[in-house]
Amino acid sequence: AQSVTQLGSHVSVSEGALVLLRCNYSSSVPPYLFWYVQYPNQGLQLLLKYTTGATLVKGINGFEAEFKKSETSFHLTKPSAHMSDAAEYFCAVSETPGNQFYFGTGTSLTVIP
Amino acid sequence: NAGVTQTPKFRVLKTGQSMTLLCAQDMNHEYMYWYRQDPGMGLRLIHYSVGEGTTAKGEVPDGYNVSRLKKQNFLLGLESAAPSQTSVYFCASSSTGAGEQFFGPGTRLTVL
Repeated sequence: AQSVTQLGSHVSVSEGALVLLRCNYSSSVPPYLFWYVQYPNQGLQLLLKYTTGATLVKGINGFEAEFKKSETSFHLTKPSAHMSDAAEYFCAVSETPGNQFYFGTGTSLTVIP
Repeated sequence: NAGVTQTPKFRVLKTGQSMTLLCAQDMNHEYMYWYRQDPGMGLRLIHYSVGEGTTAKGEVPDGYNVSRLKKQNFLLGLESAAPSQTSVYFCASSSTGAGEQFFGPGTRLTVL
């Protein structure tokens, strides 16, 4: 079975600082990888996804993530944090088309002014 | 386009009562999903459907039933609610299994 690990349930950064949210997965086959963001009392929105092709993926709001097969990682980064980035972030994995998603437990990002 | 909508937004039940949560999508998506979100546990898949008339069990199906009689609707039923089913429930849909899942706004359910 798939497993998705997000290191750090809470991350705090200063406004303007680098954001790094970690995601590792277990998969015996090339996975499909996703990052979602959840603002308070809302549903999840897709930030970015990796299916095939270029391993560095750019998403909305200045976020990007790099698929590293050797490290089974898909860490999310943003060069400069903004107050509006404060939210819960979820990494998700799917092995094949039609298969179910597996979500990590989430990382709550706090941005300190 | 309304996207994915969920009805109701909030509900309080007593132990043993039953209810049905409705999810509707207007994107003509084949795949639909029901998740529950609990603090510290992320989202866990309850049931999903890969097309009209089909359903399948996810990670935590016990105590829930689903039906997909129409392509645009996916119903989640609780036959006899228990306090352990207190949670926020999210519905999602996608055009393919590997594609983006579009989420509804959620239903906050409390079982007393």
